[in-house]
Amino acid sequence: GNSVTQMEGPVTLSEEAFLTINCTYTATGYPSLFWYVQYPGEGLQLLLKATKADDKGSNKGFEATYRKETTSFHLEKGSVQVSDSAVYFCALPNSGYALNFGKGTSLLVTP
Amino acid sequence: GAVVSQHPSWVICKSGTSVKIECRSLDFQATTMFWYRQFPKQSLMLMATSNEGSKATYEQGVEKDKFLINHASLTLSTLTVTSAHPEDSSFYICSARPHSGRAGETQYFGPGTRLLVL
Repeated sequence: GNSVTQMEGPVTLSEEAFLTINCTYTATGYPSLFWYVQYPGEGLQLLLKATKADDKGSNKGFEATYRKETTSFHLEKGSVQVSDSAVYFCALPNSGYALNFGKGTSLLVTP
Repeated sequence: GAVVSQHPSWVICKSGTSVKIECRSLDFQATTMFWYRQFPKQSLMLMATSNEGSKATYEQGVEKDKFLINHASLTLSTLTVTSAHPEDSSFYICSARPHSGRAGETQYFGPGTRLLVL
């Protein structure tokens, strides 16, 4: 079935540093790919998505490009802020439309 | 738009009691709702898929008699944890897929319900 593998954290960065969180996928066909963010004590929020190969999703300075040749959907941000501290999940739908999530990557940004 | 609410957000109960969690899509109709469970510092694991007007489909290893799911309308699904025990303590999150959603369409997540069983 469809699955994602993402780098495990925790990741600790200084404010304004460059962020990359790796995510690779295994899938039948070319499903949509998602990044969700979970702030401490809260539920999930959709951060960005891409619906087809070569699409770039972007939001709040975060970007991810759907690359079928490398089966990847890495999350990047050029300059992180303290408020970006959260857990980030890569996800894709399974055959029943529910989402399969990666294990999550915890990001801590220090001033 | 596309807001999903959950109630309650927090519940503490005694071992052996049952707890009902509601998931509502506030401004759209959802043919399908999903229930996930998240243990501390872990990922979300799908428990079951809830379809309006039919029986829920449970993932392997999830006891259907313990986690009762009812999807009575296009805007409401409920999860009842029956005879709760401390090991059921977790963060329960629902999501709703819009009625018109095609495969891969964005799901909308509720804020989650934190259950603590003493």
